[in-house]
Amino acid sequence: SQKIEQNSEALNIQEGKTATLTCNYTNYSPAYLQWYRQDPGRGPVFLLLIRENEKEKRKERLKVTFDTTLKQSLFHITASQPADSATYLCALEGMDSSYKLIFGSGTRLLVRP
Amino acid sequence: ETGVTQSPTHLIKTRGQQVTLRCSSQSGHNTVSWYQQALGQGPQFIFQYYREEENGRGNFPPRFSGLQFPNYSSELNVNALELDDSALYLCASSTDRRNTEAFFGQGTRLTVV
Repeated sequence: SQKIEQNSEALNIQEGKTATLTCNYTNYSPAYLQWYRQDPGRGPVFLLLIRENEKEKRKERLKVTFDTTLKQSLFHITASQPADSATYLCALEGMDSSYKLIFGSGTRLLVRP
Repeated sequence: ETGVTQSPTHLIKTRGQQVTLRCSSQSGHNTVSWYQQALGQGPQFIFQYYREEENGRGNFPPRFSGLQFPNYSSELNVNALELDDSALYLCASSTDRRNTEAFFGQGTRLTVV
């Protein structure tokens, strides 16, 4: 079955540095991959979608890469700020026809001032 | 804000009871999906509705059921509540069934005692 893995340990970095989060997946070749941000007690907020034929996508300080050979996506936040502290989730479409999104368990990012 | 609203925000129920959670989708979105999120985990897909019909279901028992109304608002019903049903319930609306950018509500925190 499909499996998505994100680093369960929190990533703790200094303000101004680049945060890099990893999403690995197995047993599937998704047409696209999405990244969401989730603050405590709130619903996820869509950040970026990258398609299988795109190697990289950028939005302001955010950058996502998608390596379909390694079955991995990297999510970068440059010039990180304390306000970037949150849990970041990656999500793939389901491999069956149910149109569901399969989420990883998320990685918590802490940006120290 | 995503324009997706859920009610209530918090709810406490007793084991064996029934509960109805509500979701108002963002204007123009004809697809709604429901997710269950346990503490420290990513959202788990329950089911999706597209134009008032169930369009896919995750690994949840039949006591989890739903409805989508002509105005695209939605309900999630859970019968015979169990302690393990305690979680954050999220609805997400989208303009397409593949959820290529899902807009989540703030969630309903359900506690079963």
